[in-house]
Amino acid sequence: DAGITQSPRHKVTETGTPVTLRCHQTENHRYMYWYRQDPGHGLRLIHYSYGVKDTDKGEVSDGYSVSRSKTEDFLLTLESATSSQTSVYFCATYPGEGEQFFGPGTRLTVL
Amino acid sequence: TQLLEQSPQFLSIQEGENLTVYCNSSSVFSSLQWYRQEPGEGPVLLVTVVTGGEVKKLKRLTFQFGDARKDSSLHITAAQPGDTGLYLCAGEMGNTPLVFGKGTRLSVIA
Repeated sequence: DAGITQSPRHKVTETGTPVTLRCHQTENHRYMYWYRQDPGHGLRLIHYSYGVKDTDKGEVSDGYSVSRSKTEDFLLTLESATSSQTSVYFCATYPGEGEQFFGPGTRLTVL
Repeated sequence: TQLLEQSPQFLSIQEGENLTVYCNSSSVFSSLQWYRQEPGEGPVLLVTVVTGGEVKKLKRLTFQFGDARKDSSLHITAAQPGDTGLYLCAGEMGNTPLVFGKGTRLSVIA
């Protein structure tokens, strides 16, 4: 258990509204990731961070932005949510070697 | 293009049966990891294989890394209902983020 929490755990929102998901870690891991998981697609990387204020795009970054102002927090923002962004979102951390540690996930529904 | 292909995508077997899950790629990985994910939770690491040809055992689970470090397999002996879950392989290539396969959803029926 790497002490990763995600908030909220569940959210229902309407198309066009902004949404921010939060990932918080207590292990001081350098790397943090945001994934989305959808049936038939597996885990797909949205954005990742390799340090405070250092972020990069993953394979499905369109429509998403991220920020990391502190080591422990990594925020994922949907500027204007669409129904195609309905998914389960996972945050993960990585200390630099060994395994990735995943949070419990956030289930987002966009109506 | 999926860098890591997992097969089968779904597997439903009776308790006590054996099974093998495959993870294949045309790319070479420095290491390969296997994760298991249960409903409502995030994936949890089972094992990491690093050396070509390496075999690791975790109780009834046997993991093998191909000699060329392009593929891996997970074999479960005498499957139990507690083995039910989504099995994900993930490949590491240098300093880039892990590449995940789409997963194999296993259901073991008592």
